[in-house]
Amino acid sequence: NAGVTQTPKFQVLKTGQSMTLQCAQDMNHEYMSWYRQDPGMGLRLIHYSVGAGITDQGEVPNGYNVSRSTTEDFPLRLLSAAPSQTSVYFCASLGQNSYEQYFGPGTRLTVT
Amino acid sequence: QQQVKQSPQSLIVQKGGISIINCAYENTAFDYFPWYQQFPGKGPALLIAIRPDVSEKKEGRFTISFNKSAKQFSLHIMDSQPGDSATYFCAAGGPLGSSNDYKLSFGAGTTVTVRA
Repeated sequence: NAGVTQTPKFQVLKTGQSMTLQCAQDMNHEYMSWYRQDPGMGLRLIHYSVGAGITDQGEVPNGYNVSRSTTEDFPLRLLSAAPSQTSVYFCASLGQNSYEQYFGPGTRLTVT
Repeated sequence: QQQVKQSPQSLIVQKGGISIINCAYENTAFDYFPWYQQFPGKGPALLIAIRPDVSEKKEGRFTISFNKSAKQFSLHIMDSQPGDSATYFCAAGGPLGSSNDYKLSFGAGTTVTVRA
């Protein structure tokens, strides 16, 4: 099992550009989530999904969109990047009957 | 507004020493308290977790102490080793069995450096 994979590992965007951060898991987990990690702030929940076709907002959803068309994939879209979205983004998943979240390796995004 | 407050921000300990990280929470509905360990360039990984029905949980050199009345919990790393150098995050979630099952609120993190 590859676990949770994320692409790309690094990305630089200009203000106003759009992009999609990819996340995939091969553990057949129903629950997936996106967090952003900023110095001194810990990890903050952006969006989450409890299954294919179901998504909901977390603590800091503004400026981000998500969709969940399959169990395996949970992409995060930035429609118009802003410098405030410079961060490290982590995708995580967990299955039923477990409270352990498995995190991907992260995507470091810089918006100039 | 962070729901989980973590301290210290960083600490340095000598090899063989004890590292102690403290966390406090406000939401009494939380009933799941995990600690995650993160190495540079990697995603966080679950280290140890506790439910409020016990006051202490030990796994190897790592121990969680939980004080429900004070709404505080802490991580103790005994006999600290250079390989323990990492960032540690406390978190809180739940109540389990509700729609909040899978949402975690994280502390700001503590960078632990173990000197050989």
